[in-house]
Amino acid sequence: ETGVTQSPTHLIKTRGQQVTLRCSSQSGHNTVSWYQQALGQGPQFIFQYYREEENGRGNFPPRFSGLQFPNYSSELNVNALELDDSALYLCASSPGSRSSYEQYFGPGTRLTVT
Amino acid sequence: KQEVTQIPAALSVPEGENLVLNCSFTDSAIYNLQWFRQDPGKGLTSLLLIQSSQREQTSGRLNASLDKSSGRSTLYIAASQPGDSATYLCAVPGSSNTGKLIFGQGTTLQVKP
Repeated sequence: ETGVTQSPTHLIKTRGQQVTLRCSSQSGHNTVSWYQQALGQGPQFIFQYYREEENGRGNFPPRFSGLQFPNYSSELNVNALELDDSALYLCASSPGSRSSYEQYFGPGTRLTVT
Repeated sequence: KQEVTQIPAALSVPEGENLVLNCSFTDSAIYNLQWFRQDPGKGLTSLLLIQSSQREQTSGRLNASLDKSSGRSTLYIAASQPGDSATYLCAVPGSSNTGKLIFGQGTTLQVKP
């Protein structure tokens, strides 16, 4: 059974640029959630995708957008990058959208904005 | 609004000690509580998931308890080892309909040989 994978591992971008992060969910999982973790903080929920539809969003501006594909992999897109977007971005997959399901996290993508 | 707090923020112990990490939450109407381990710069590894109907869960040297009425959970680590050094995070669901998790800020544990 393949776990959750994310790409790339590290990324350096300039303020104002756009970035796309990718996540492959664990086999059999149809739900992907994205989190942002600043240094020294707990992860903050960005949004969740369930069966290709957004299913819940945290307190993040519209320049954070996402997509889920028919194979349940997902992308996180961030436009007009700001210095404060520098963080570890984590995705998690689960077998369903409800909170009763355990979530399994990927290794994360470290984004640095200069 | 659900808030999760972890105390202490950092802990340093000698190898072999038994220790307790604390997690508190403000809204007791939770479906479950999850404990995670995070190594520096890495993703989260799920350690234990306690459903709201359970009072505790055990995995090896780890035991997690849940007291919904008081809004508390503890993670007990027996006979700590240097390999246990990491940040430990607890999280609870933010709603029933989505998988949104609300995390504490974590407890960073250092186990000295």
